[in-house]
Amino acid sequence: EVQLVESGGGLVQPGGSLKLSCAASGFIFSGSTIHWVRQASGRGLEWVGRVRDKPNNYATAYAASVKGRFTISRDDSMNTAYLQMNSLKTEDTAVYYCTRIRCGGDCWSYGMDVWGQGTTVTVSS
Amino acid sequence: QSVLTQPPSASGTPGQRVTISCFGSNSNIGSNSVNWYQQLPGTAPKLLIYNNNQRPSGVPDRFSGSKSGTSASLAISGLQSEDEADYYCAGWDDSLNGLFGGGTKLTVL
Repeated sequence: EVQLVESGGGLVQPGGSLKLSCAASGFIFSGSTIHWVRQASGRGLEWVGRVRDKPNNYATAYAASVKGRFTISRDDSMNTAYLQMNSLKTEDTAVYYCTRIRCGGDCWSYGMDVWGQGTTVTVSS
Repeated sequence: QSVLTQPPSASGTPGQRVTISCFGSNSNIGSNSVNWYQQLPGTAPKLLIYNNNQRPSGVPDRFSGSKSGTSASLAISGLQSEDEADYYCAGWDDSLNGLFGGGTKLTVL
């Protein structure tokens, strides 16, 4: 079965850090671009960032709202991607989804065809 | 505010045809293709349309997409109660960063 499973969410204080994981199975993880998308309660989807594949130098990109605070990485040997979140703010509270595009470079037109179930991050004192 | 603009709500009766619009600009929709996602209550989003008008395997042909200039549309024909969901258009900008519309909540009356 093709799937992505997120983990690592929880409650963290403002200014704190958290690392999310996204474990893949059922497809060639190393050939995919992995994106993170978040959704605050009752709100719409917000693109967080992405990491490309090895031939594309594992290039990353981030939304302006998280740039400099969040880091996306991947370990193809573990079929897992990560989202390291530092200097967390209350407005980072959301469900975080990982999702894939089934190519490693600039291929947004393929669409994000596999999504995880999401993991909840709550930033509160 | 989202760079891609969608109406916050839409509605229709069973069997009806409804359309949801998505407005962008030359730097996103005008120069790149559009994808559409369906999010049923309490679930993760699901890819509905990719590359403007392509349906992934398993998506009924009641769903169709189109793009013209800096706008795109999702059409749902033969509306069914199970189509009640949030619908999001998506694209990317000149910096290859992702963009989502604000979402449209579809109600089946």
